[in-house]
Amino acid sequence: AQSVAQPEDQVNVAEGNPLTVKCTYSVSGNPYLFWYVQYPNRGLQFLLKYITGDNLVKGSYGFEAEFNKSQTSFHLKKPSALVSDSALYFCAVRSASLSTLTFGKGTMLLVSP
Amino acid sequence: DAGVIQSPRHEVTEMGQEVTLRCKPISGHNSLFWYRQTMMRGLELLIYFNNNVPIDDSGMPEDRFSAKMPNASFSTLKIQPSEPRDSAVYFCASSSRNRGVITEAFFGQGTRLTVV
Repeated sequence: AQSVAQPEDQVNVAEGNPLTVKCTYSVSGNPYLFWYVQYPNRGLQFLLKYITGDNLVKGSYGFEAEFNKSQTSFHLKKPSALVSDSALYFCAVRSASLSTLTFGKGTMLLVSP
Repeated sequence: DAGVIQSPRHEVTEMGQEVTLRCKPISGHNSLFWYRQTMMRGLELLIYFNNNVPIDDSGMPEDRFSAKMPNASFSTLKIQPSEPRDSAVYFCASSSRNRGVITEAFFGQGTRLTVV
């Protein structure tokens, strides 16, 4: 079985400050990890993924994430938050043997001006 | 490519009626997923097709739900009869896995279903 935990329901950060949205996972074998963002009344948009290679992955809109195998984590980060980054963020995992993504429950990011 | 296309965007129906949700995946993608999103349960995988064949339907809530993929460019999710607790946003997503390269899943805009 594969699972994802996003321990924070909501993250609040001031514009211009760095942000971190946490994600830990459980999967058999090598993990494939993803971050998605959902704006109100929209579908999920892909941000970035880790398949193999460098542990630090850079994605869309200035976001990045760091894969930490020993801590089974894949936290999403951005050096300087924007108000327009306010949205619902989902972490997802799949194993090499499965094609299905398992999503976390989501973390609402609120960036204040 | 226009991305994953879902229709309708919104559906309001009365309890007991049949509801059909439609999805057109991205051309060339060979995997298709149906998810349901609710406040209480988050994103749940309902069913997964690979090369038009249902691979895992363990997430389908009950026999009232059925899904088909008659060809590589079209899938339907049907609820018959519908119940108020089926009210949710239903997402379709597609991805590909060719020669070991795994792509991310691309999501449609979703269908917001309200059963009254």
